[in-house]
Amino acid sequence: ETGVTQTPRHLVMGMTNKKSLKCEQHLGHNAMYWYKQSAKKPLELMFVYNFKEQTENNSVPSRFSPECPNSSHLFLHLHTLQPEDSALYLCASSLRGIYGYTFGSGTRLTVV
Amino acid sequence: AQSVTQLDSQVPVFEEAPVELRCNYSSSVSVYLFWYVQYPNQGLQLLLKYLSGSTLVESINGFEAEFNKSQTSFHLRKPSVHISDTAEYFCAVSDLNAGGTSYGKLTFGQGTILTVHP
Repeated sequence: ETGVTQTPRHLVMGMTNKKSLKCEQHLGHNAMYWYKQSAKKPLELMFVYNFKEQTENNSVPSRFSPECPNSSHLFLHLHTLQPEDSALYLCASSLRGIYGYTFGSGTRLTVV
Repeated sequence: AQSVTQLDSQVPVFEEAPVELRCNYSSSVSVYLFWYVQYPNQGLQLLLKYLSGSTLVESINGFEAEFNKSQTSFHLRKPSVHISDTAEYFCAVSDLNAGGTSYGKLTFGQGTILTVHP
């Protein structure tokens, strides 16, 4: 158990579906992150939240919609995705990154 | 802004051989340095970190890394690898000079896939 829990671990969705990824941490961290990891590509930082406020959006398409209701929970709402969005989505948390990030196990997303 | 370069995208080695995974970062006065390991279909796990003090840091499974400020490097080494070390390894840098919400933000390298052959 890494301290950061992601659900579901696997998700298959059609291009017209709406689904959500969930991330939860009880480490007392105040920053949370969404990363996308595609095969043979570097880690892509998608969103950053500090103290529940979004502080970074790296030109992510609007079909990805993050939500951070409190410092312990982070969601990624998905709708009308494309097959190229299939990837491993990783959530992480930190104490402002000073001592590194703690990652969840990821959600393997397949868009069909 | 910080940048991190992992010089090798793939490193194949035989079991019980030594290995070095190279990492260089752009110059900065104050940084924290990290190595993460990722096994297939899992998240990244912290392997070791340099925050301050001794420039040589060790992990519990025999890896070590040395912070070299003059060469802005943080190479990862293991004197004898096992099959179970097969994974992808990521070097990361935390920039303590960045202001505002970028303070302490991690910048990751592109990753190095270590494959240990029997």
